[in-house]
Amino acid sequence: DAKTTQPPSMDCAEGRAANLPCNHSTISGNEYVYWYRQIHSQGPQYIIHGLKNNETNEMASLIITEDRKSSTLILPHATLRDTAVYYCIEGRLYALNFGKGTSLLVTP
Amino acid sequence: SQTIHQWPATLVQPVGSPLSLECTVEGTSNPNLYWYRQAAGRGLQLLFYSVGIGQISSEVPQNLSASRPQDRQFILSSKKLLLSDSGFYLCACSIGGTDTQYFGPGTRLTVL
Repeated sequence: DAKTTQPPSMDCAEGRAANLPCNHSTISGNEYVYWYRQIHSQGPQYIIHGLKNNETNEMASLIITEDRKSSTLILPHATLRDTAVYYCIEGRLYALNFGKGTSLLVTP
Repeated sequence: SQTIHQWPATLVQPVGSPLSLECTVEGTSNPNLYWYRQAAGRGLQLLFYSVGIGQISSEVPQNLSASRPQDRQFILSSKKLLLSDSGFYLCACSIGGTDTQYFGPGTRLTVL
């Protein structure tokens, strides 16, 4: 079973920031936090990952709490194409343990 | 950057028939390769991973098997399919010992 906890669903208005939370209270000191998303009927898409520091790339920002027990993925300006299931995963070499994720619906 | 190919894209097979799904990777060498299955309404389940030719590790017991005959080829097989084998099968790769995995487009298998 996945070791992370995410809300099953969230809504966000188009153009607004989407903030997706994740709890990973059992994460080990050398495990990364990974975020993927899966648009219906497609393979998962890598978004971002981090260890301790906040990270930003062209897709999103990742905010990790100082105790590393939780994180937030931020999509700064959500579009309709961001509607997908978002997975937060504790990274373990040779295995990413996907849970059920958060189903994000971006509405016009 | 790497590209992952999977075929077929969709497949409908009768119970008891054999299965062979293929995954090939372009744009990199010596990748780690993975097979996942996603049953309807559920998360991804890791089935097999491989760190090199002929090296296969199984994460869950089942009637499926995997083989890696070439560096960038990963095959998922079954001798006799079960109804419970229906699902979305995804191949992924990672490079250089990192955890970041990149996924192919998937094969949707329906067993009737």
